[in-house]
Order: sequence, then C-alpha cells, then structure tokens
Amino acid sequence: EAGVVQSPRYKIIEKKQPVAFWCNPISGHNTLYWYLQNLGQGPELLIRYENEEAVDDSQLPKDRFSAERLKGVDSTLKIQPAELGDSAVYLCASSLAGTYQETQYFGPGTRLLVL
Amino acid sequence: QQQVKQSPQSLIVQKGGISIINCAYENTAFDYFPWYQQFPGKGPALLIAIRPDVSEKKEGRFTISFNKSAKQFSLHIMDSQPGDSATYFCAATLNQGGKLIFGQGTELSVKP
Repeated sequence: EAGVVQSPRYKIIEKKQPVAFWCNPISGHNTLYWYLQNLGQGPELLIRYENEEAVDDSQLPKDRFSAERLKGVDSTLKIQPAELGDSAVYLCASSLAGTYQETQYFGPGTRLLVL
Repeated sequence: QQQVKQSPQSLIVQKGGISIINCAYENTAFDYFPWYQQFPGKGPALLIAIRPDVSEKKEGRFTISFNKSAKQFSLHIMDSQPGDSATYFCAATLNQGGKLIFGQGTELSVKP
C-alpha cells in the first residue's frame, strides 16, 4: 500500500514569492492533516480536514496561508507571500478517521527554504 | 498548559544499552500518548502508544511507562541498536478530534 505522497520534496524560493505544496493521502483515509516542523522541533498542526471540510484551522496563519482539499482526497497548502520565517518542513498526514486514537501516517514532507 | 515537555534533547547510548526518554504534561484532558520515531528525511512514524488507564505497555524492545499522578511518561528502548538512531517524539492528544501535541524531540544516537 502506498504511503502519503508529498511534492515537491524540496523548494527554494525568494521571499515574497508564492509557493504551493501538494499532498496525496493514503487511499480511503478521510482525515488529512498539515503540520509545520521547524528545525529541531516537533510538528505543529496547521489544519485538519474531515473529507472536504476544514474542521480545525485555528493554527493556520490565514493572512498568508491557505489550504484546500477538493473532492476530499488530495490537498494543497499555499503560502503567499512567503517570509523568511516560513523556512521549515511541511508535513502532510492522513488517518482513517479523525478520532484521537487513530494512527496518523505522515508523508516525507516538503522542505522549504525562503531566501 | 497545552505543552508536552520532553527530555533530554539528545542522547548517546552504547549498543546493547537502555535508552530512556522522558516527557511531562500539564493538561489532564490529554488521554492518549503516542511515541513517534523519525529518521532523517522521513516523516514521523508511530512507534507505540498508551492510554492513561495503563501504567505500562511493552512492544518488543520498546516500553512506555506512564505515571498519571505525576503527569509523566517515558519511553524505554532495551538492547538499543544502531538502527534505533533517530529522533523520537512523545505526543499527547486531547479527547476530541485527533490533534497531536508533540514534544520537542530527542535525537538518539546508538554507538556500535
């Protein structure tokens, strides 16, 4: 079974430029998460989707970040404009359901460097 | 109160030794405590998890010890191997929605 797929794996951009990350969750997983992982830190939740609905986006900086999950499958996370402090790894995860004991499966992440 | 504090930040253990990583939390609403293992360039992967109604859970060489009154839990890796070298994160979830609160991580290096 294929795991969570993310692309691109690496991205280098100039500050103020836009950037987008794509995630394809494990087939059949209704819940999708985007996490931010700074160097030497644990992941922090940005947004959680149940099917197409964003049910927890309280940590998403909505002035520059946006996300969508069309048709309840793939998801895209966008930053516009990017700032130097956005340099981090962006992780996507999925689970069968959003219950707290459901195992979350993480993708390899997209490493973003903003210059 | 939402934080999970993890220590040590880094740990070096000889092959065959015991690795111990500790975590502490404040929020008593947390009621599920997973540990994740992350290798360089990979996403975190679930290693083992425990609920607070159990004081210990063992899976192979990995054991979680849980002290509810002290609000602390720890991961023990017995007979540590070089292949265990990775970053380990403790985490906790609230009893709603599956939001994981991660600790800061412990970088484990097992020397041959």
